[in-house]
Amino acid sequence: EAGVAQSPRYKIIEKRQSVAFWCNPISGHATLYWYQQILGQGPKLLIQFQNNGVVDDSQLPKDRFSAERLKGVDSTLKIQPAKLEDSAVYLCASSLGYRNQPQHFGDGTRLSIL
Amino acid sequence: AQSVTQLDSQVPVFEEAPVELRCNYSSSVSVYLFWYVQYPNQGLQLLLKYLSGSTLVKGINGFEAEFNKSQTSFHLRKPSVHISDTAEYFCAVSSSNDYKLSFGAGTTVTVRA
Repeated sequence: EAGVAQSPRYKIIEKRQSVAFWCNPISGHATLYWYQQILGQGPKLLIQFQNNGVVDDSQLPKDRFSAERLKGVDSTLKIQPAKLEDSAVYLCASSLGYRNQPQHFGDGTRLSIL
Repeated sequence: AQSVTQLDSQVPVFEEAPVELRCNYSSSVSVYLFWYVQYPNQGLQLLLKYLSGSTLVKGINGFEAEFNKSQTSFHLRKPSVHISDTAEYFCAVSSSNDYKLSFGAGTTVTVRA
């Protein structure tokens, strides 16, 4: 089966600019996650979708981050405006369900803020 | 809320030697435990998981882990490593409350010939 697809793989922007990341989950996976992985740390959950509804966005900095999952398939994560501390790898994952179903990760987008 | 502590940030090991990566967790409710591996410039891949039943769990690539409830630990082991096992390893925990994964900071394993 095709894995989780993410684009772009790398992005370099200046602070205060905006950026968007795209994720296409594995076909049939109802649950989609966005994680932020800062260098030297483990991934931190930003937002979790079940189909096209938000299950958990408690750790999403909503003043600058937004995410949507239209039609319960693809998802986009946006940052506007970006800050230096947003430099990280943004990982998308998907699973059949959220109750301990294995999460399948994409290769991530590495974001550098200048 | 649950948390995870990986006790070793870096583990150098020679090829064909055994390796153990230590993981401790804290939680006030029942937990589920996972080990993931991340190769350079890639996403995370599930190695193994403990949900219930036997406390000794076998995973892919010859890895195994043992759940110890009294010591709140879930250490990962491999009896003989290969160069290709060089990667970052993450321990993660979820609880029966919300099933959200909380990851440790990771352990970098470097296998040398």
